[in-house]
Amino acid sequence: GENVEQHPSTLSVQEGDSAVIKCTYSDSASNYFPWYKQELGKRPQLIIDIRSNVGEKKDQRIAVTLNKTAKHFSLHITETQPEDSAVYFCAAISGNQFYFGTGTSLTVIP
Amino acid sequence: GAVVSQHPSWVICKSGTSVKIECRSLDFQATTMFWYRQFPKQSLMLMATSNEGSKATYEQGVEKDKFLINHASLTLSTLTVTSAHPEDSSFYICSAQTSADTQYFGPGTRLTVL
Repeated sequence: GENVEQHPSTLSVQEGDSAVIKCTYSDSASNYFPWYKQELGKRPQLIIDIRSNVGEKKDQRIAVTLNKTAKHFSLHITETQPEDSAVYFCAAISGNQFYFGTGTSLTVIP
Repeated sequence: GAVVSQHPSWVICKSGTSVKIECRSLDFQATTMFWYRQFPKQSLMLMATSNEGSKATYEQGVEKDKFLINHASLTLSTLTVTSAHPEDSSFYICSAQTSADTQYFGPGTRLTVL
């Protein structure tokens, strides 16, 4: 089955700086890669996703890049704000199977 | 985005009792729903995949007789924790998959077993 690894597990950045979270996956059949943001005690919220026929996608301060050959994808947050502090999960979907990364706890220091 | 509700949001029960958690997709039909368990500061652990009209598919290590899943309609899946024990205390989250493969999560149910 799929194996998704996520790094780093914790990340602290100064407000205004950029944050990058990386995930790797093992199943070349995976074709959909969403990113979720989870604030403490709340449900994961989809923030951006990318499909395997696209290399990059951007939505305001958030962008995701995908390298299918290397089997890795990354979340980029620019101009970070304190409200970006949360746990971020990547996921790789192959068929009907969702596989989540272990999460990255992001802290944006004012 | 699509809306998924979950009920109850928090339940406290005595050891040995059974607890039923409902997951509903409010504005779309979901042939597939997922049940996850999440421990504090940890990732989502997939417990089972629930398909409407058929038996759920359980992940390795998840007892199907303890965690009963029923997906009776395209908008409702239920998870029943049978004979709950303190070690079952956790945050249970469901999600529903749209036709575009996007997954939307419910708000979660915090189960505390005394």
